[in-house]
Amino acid sequence: EVQLVESGGGLVQPGRSLRLSCAASGFTLSDHYIHWVRQAPGKGPEWVGRTRNKADGYTTEYAASVKGRFTISSDESRNSLYLQMNSLKTEDTAVYYCVRVAFGTRHFDYWGQGTRVTVSS
Amino acid sequence: DIQMTQSPSSLSASVGDRVTITCRASQDVSNLLAWFQQKPGKAPKSLIFDASRLQSGVPSTFSGSGSGTEFTLSISSLRPEDFATYYCHHYNGFPLTFGGGTKVEI
Repeated sequence: EVQLVESGGGLVQPGRSLRLSCAASGFTLSDHYIHWVRQAPGKGPEWVGRTRNKADGYTTEYAASVKGRFTISSDESRNSLYLQMNSLKTEDTAVYYCVRVAFGTRHFDYWGQGTRVTVSS
Repeated sequence: DIQMTQSPSSLSASVGDRVTITCRASQDVSNLLAWFQQKPGKAPKSLIFDASRLQSGVPSTFSGSGSGTEFTLSISSLRPEDFATYYCHHYNGFPLTFGGGTKVEI
């Protein structure tokens, strides 16, 4: 069964850092493109960033609102993906989801259940 | 950035009703449009991709149509488990953007 499980969320002060994890089971994460999507309380979803798969060099793209502060990386040995979030702002408060792209396509197929990040002093 | 506008933002319906949700893009996204369902505390569930193709395991009561800038999601006969919030999003380039959601309530 395909599963994506996010973890690492919590309460953090503005300006600090946090690293979210996305652990995959039922498939090999490095075979797929993966996106991060976030959803602030009471708002619609917002795209955060994407990493290509290993075959395509793990190249990344980011939303303008997080570029230069957030970084996506992969750990094949753990079948996991990470979202390193630096210089956090209150507007980064949201539930963060990792989302799998169906192999060889551009569309999403599986979402994780999300991890909540609250940036507040 | 491409703006995605969904309507209505909420609707009330009954089990067995037919429901239609509209999603409009501010620019042509071809058929690179998807719909997903979200319930509180649950992982979002992808329903439709490429505007009209059903994800594996999604009941045939769901259907999608449209291309370019106007798209619809239809549920032909509402089941109790279909009461949820539905979102559209495009994937025709970066940034991906999402509609504001449509809450389907009893």
